[in-house]
Amino acid sequence: DTAVSQTPKYLVTQMGNDKSIKCEQNLGHDTMYWYKQDSKKFLKIMFSYNNKELIINETVPNRFSPKSPDKAHLNLHINSLELGDSAVYFCASSLPGFQPQHFGDGTRLSIL
Amino acid sequence: SQQGEEDPQALSIQEGENATMNCSYKTSINNLQWYRQNSGRGLVHLILIRSNEREKHSGRLRVTLDTSKKSSSLLITASRAADTASYFCATDGQNFVFGPGTRLSVLP
Repeated sequence: DTAVSQTPKYLVTQMGNDKSIKCEQNLGHDTMYWYKQDSKKFLKIMFSYNNKELIINETVPNRFSPKSPDKAHLNLHINSLELGDSAVYFCASSLPGFQPQHFGDGTRLSIL
Repeated sequence: SQQGEEDPQALSIQEGENATMNCSYKTSINNLQWYRQNSGRGLVHLILIRSNEREKHSGRLRVTLDTSKKSSSLLITASRAADTASYFCATDGQNFVFGPGTRLSVLP
């Protein structure tokens, strides 16, 4: 069974559209994350939730809104997509604190 | 600026050789972690070293940490083609910042 699963794996859409990426983990972890990896492979944290509560909210445009319906799910909704949003988005989970994180395989978002 | 930065950016070696990658960081840390990323996949955790530890081993991996120099190194011994991947360090100094990684190519 996949520990951290993201859907969709690929997302190709036009500028201005709204899209969502879903993430689920079956590891029983309390903490979940969203990261953005750009074309140069820099990986930046966007958000972190602990037991459905937002604990890290980096400088990210308001167009990005995370939602955690329960501690096993952390979804990412993006409004009014822009060209610069093209990247690979990774979901991860861990025990609380700076513990080893388990990553999904990423969602490759391409904006046309 | 990036908290953790790996060097070299790219490294190409022959199978059987050792590979050493370095990570430098800027602020004080409690822990440092190393991850591997295979092409098209998510990151996989390799090892965590705490600020009061100087060296840690896991199989063919050896990690050192020098807090006075704010640096860490990852040594992979007897490399295999399957070790070909990007390697990242992450620190807890500033919200789990990852460096840009070292792309390791192990040639058969």
